[in-house]
Amino acid sequence: GENVEQHPSTLSVQEGDSAVIKCTYSDSASNYFPWYKQELGKGPQLIIDIRSNVGEKKDQRIAVTLNKTAKHFSLHITETQPEDSAVYFCAARTSYGKLTFGQGTILTVHP
Amino acid sequence: SAVISQKPSRDICQRGTSLTIQCQVDSQVTMMFWYRQQPGQSLTLIATANQGSEATYESGFVIDKFPISRPNLTFSTLTVSNMSPEDSSIYLCSVRGTGQETQYFGPGTRLLVL
Repeated sequence: GENVEQHPSTLSVQEGDSAVIKCTYSDSASNYFPWYKQELGKGPQLIIDIRSNVGEKKDQRIAVTLNKTAKHFSLHITETQPEDSAVYFCAARTSYGKLTFGQGTILTVHP
Repeated sequence: SAVISQKPSRDICQRGTSLTIQCQVDSQVTMMFWYRQQPGQSLTLIATANQGSEATYESGFVIDKFPISRPNLTFSTLTVSNMSPEDSSIYLCSVRGTGQETQYFGPGTRLLVL
């Protein structure tokens, strides 16, 4: 089955800096890659996703890049703000398959 | 996007008892899932709730421990049976619409078993 590895497990940045979280997946048939943000006491919230026929997708301060050959994808957050502090999860899924999640990254943005 | 509500939002239970968690969606959805998130851990799929038939369980999860119902396209329940402290987790309902790739999560039910 699919295996998703996520790094780093914790990330601490200063407000205004950029943050990058990386994930690798094992199943070359995976074609959908979402990223979720989970704040304390809440459920995961979808923040951005990308399909395998696209190399990069951007939404304001958030971007995701995908390298199908290397089977890895990354989340980029620019101009970080304290409210970006949360746990971030990457995931991968094949068509009609189930989501497989990475281990999560605790992002702390210091004012 | 789908709006998902769960009841209860949290509970403290005694070992050996059972708790039923409800999940309600504001629109008809094809797929409904139940996940478990142990403290400080990632999300693990328990089962896919199928309307009008038995749920499809993932390896390591069984119907006797986690019975699931899905009477219609907007509602599902998960029961955690004969609870032990190891069942202390966040239980999350998740949905995906027909022909859609996007999967949404509910706010979760935080369960503590003493």
